Amino acid sequence: DQQVKQNSPSLSVQEGRISILNCDYTNSMFDYFLWYKKYPAEGPTFLISISSIKDKNEDGRFTVFLNKSAKHLSLHIVPSQPGDSAVYFCAASGWNSGGSNYKLTFGKGTLLTVNP
Amino acid sequence: DTEVTQTPKHLVMGMTNKKSLKCEQHMGHRAMYWYKQKAKKPPELMFVYSYEKLSINESVPSRFSPECPNSSLLNLHLHALQPEDSALYLCASSQGDRGRNTEAFFGQGTRLTVV
Repeated sequence: DQQVKQNSPSLSVQEGRISILNCDYTNSMFDYFLWYKKYPAEGPTFLISISSIKDKNEDGRFTVFLNKSAKHLSLHIVPSQPGDSAVYFCAASGWNSGGSNYKLTFGKGTLLTVNP
Repeated sequence: DTEVTQTPKHLVMGMTNKKSLKCEQHMGHRAMYWYKQKAKKPPELMFVYSYEKLSINESVPSRFSPECPNSSLLNLHLHALQPEDSALYLCASSQGDRGRNTEAFFGQGTRLTVV
């Protein structure tokens, strides 16, 4: 059962335009959401996060939007640059009911290609 | 400093070998993780250590044995692996306390090939 879903395996945009990467989740216990960027054969690099008590978080060219009622979040990159080309993973975290275990669950990733 | 250091970067081992992967962080994080990632798949959680105690084992085969010698170090001992265990093994850490920022920071990974 996939609790974090990225339904677009790939996305291609022109340099300077906006990239919008989408993510849906099913587990209402998730309370923190993160986006990671990953190059081949490297570890994921943390990009931006958002707590479930917020609906928007912005950091430079990156903005994450959270719609809790729809269980949907999105990452906006504007303007997109060729160096942004990578796989982007959406991840969600939550604690178990006892508050003792914290787990990060990843989506399958979206390959973003920014064309010059 | 948001660095998680993993060694070695690459490892080739036979199915009868014993080897260890090492991970180190000096961010004062109290939660450390091992993930496994196959090509074109998301990272899959293997183990979580919280305050140096194993808190999650995602039904990982016993040929993988984690160890947390202290709050900065995390090892993964490997023995009698199979070729299908070949993957990128990622270590991560986070602050580990509920109510605080819970971003996990990842190392560069160890590319493991079992022959």
